[in-house]
Amino acid sequence: QKEVEQDPGPLSVPEGAIVSLNCTYSNSAFQYFMWYRQYSRKGPELLMYTYSSGNKEDGRFTAQVDKSSKYISLFIRDSQPSDSATYLCAARGGNQFYFGTGTSLTVIP
Amino acid sequence: KAGVTQTPRYLIKTRGQQVTLSCSPISGHRSVSWYQQTPGQGLQFLFEYFSETQRNKGNFPGRFSGRQFSNSRSEMNVSTLELGDSALYLCASSLEGLAGSQQYFGPGTRLTVT
Repeated sequence: QKEVEQDPGPLSVPEGAIVSLNCTYSNSAFQYFMWYRQYSRKGPELLMYTYSSGNKEDGRFTAQVDKSSKYISLFIRDSQPSDSATYLCAARGGNQFYFGTGTSLTVIP
Repeated sequence: KAGVTQTPRYLIKTRGQQVTLSCSPISGHRSVSWYQQTPGQGLQFLFEYFSETQRNKGNFPGRFSGRQFSNSRSEMNVSTLELGDSALYLCASSLEGLAGSQQYFGPGTRLTVT
């Protein structure tokens, strides 16, 4: 079992829709959780970073961590075509980062 | 500030050969981590170098090795290439290393082994 599991999609939504991206993790000791966005032919860039459980909001993006169910979510409001990318969830455990395989998102104008 | 740069961007090698990839971190960053990205496995951690010392290592065979120079530039070497080594190799630099939260990724080197 991988430490972080993510539905690969692909996910296709119309512009303006609310997008929900989800991951699960296996190690209850994980405390730091991240979401990265990766455009084609680019490296991942950090979108959101949260510590322990709870919500964190940044503009149209909200990251949510539920440690009781080991569930990580990213919500994108008012999605735009420029949000079309692959989204990677990650968790930090000890001195390693564990990544999901990524969810490919396409926002259709 | 210039971002993380990786060279070359694309590489085609034959099975059994060896390859060296290069990564220049953001100025002032002393930590460089290497990852292998494949569609099936996602990003997998290879190793981290901090101030010229390997500080952390993932679960890859000894064919994968690296080093870091005094200017923080890092190289990764893969010997006796296998078809399964075809992947995007990413490096990430950070100020604090893996204990921190902020890693900055380069664009990657796309390695194809034939």
